[in-house]
Amino acid sequence: QITLKESGPTLVKPTQTLTLTCTFSGFSLSTSGVGVGWIRQPPGKALEWLALIYWNDDKRYSPSLKSRLTITKDTSKNQVVLTMTNMDPVDTATYYCAHSQISSGADYWGQGTLVTVSS
Amino acid sequence: QLVLTQSPSASASLGASVKLTCTLSSGHSSYAIAWHQQQPEKGPRYLMKLNSDGSHSKGDGIPDRFSGSSSGAERYLTISSLQSEDEADYYCQTWGTGTWVFGGGTKLTVL
Repeated sequence: QITLKESGPTLVKPTQTLTLTCTFSGFSLSTSGVGVGWIRQPPGKALEWLALIYWNDDKRYSPSLKSRLTITKDTSKNQVVLTMTNMDPVDTATYYCAHSQISSGADYWGQGTLVTVSS
Repeated sequence: QLVLTQSPSASASLGASVKLTCTLSSGHSSYAIAWHQQQPEKGPRYLMKLNSDGSHSKGDGIPDRFSGSSSGAERYLTISSLQSEDEADYYCQTWGTGTWVFGGGTKLTVL
């Protein structure tokens, strides 16, 4: 059974760096073809893809946010970490992580974590 | 540029069927997509992967009422025997060269 859960701060100040952790079970990020992605959803708006990391440490980023994002994995801890620099109120959103396999989209989702950016 | 287009809203009556559409941008008609459901105040749930030939594989526990089909650049999600819990936002997603793209979502109202 694959499960994912996001954790991190619920409130960050403008200009701060956000660090989110996705802790998962039921699969290994050392298995060929496996990936974990991050997606966010501002209140009342659509889903937006942020970043993706694969078993072979291949990393991909949304072109519009690439300069602010870093994704890493810790295979031994079954965790994927996303950092986003220079947070702004427009970054207020629910952040989700999701399991994927190469040449596929998200097929298991975490429950999401709401991050509010405010001074 | 890889883009997915969805109608913002759709509606259908309880017990009826509805067909939602996701359109791939020009030059990408061979791409597979995934459909996701997001019920109010909940996170997304994976429904299925839908290939360009109409073949599809559903996620865990997805009822037979949900099916997918394809025609050219269009990808469809058909929900039959609509139930109240089907009232939700439906998103399509595709992928290309390591990037993901989501459509803008369709809000389905069950009348």
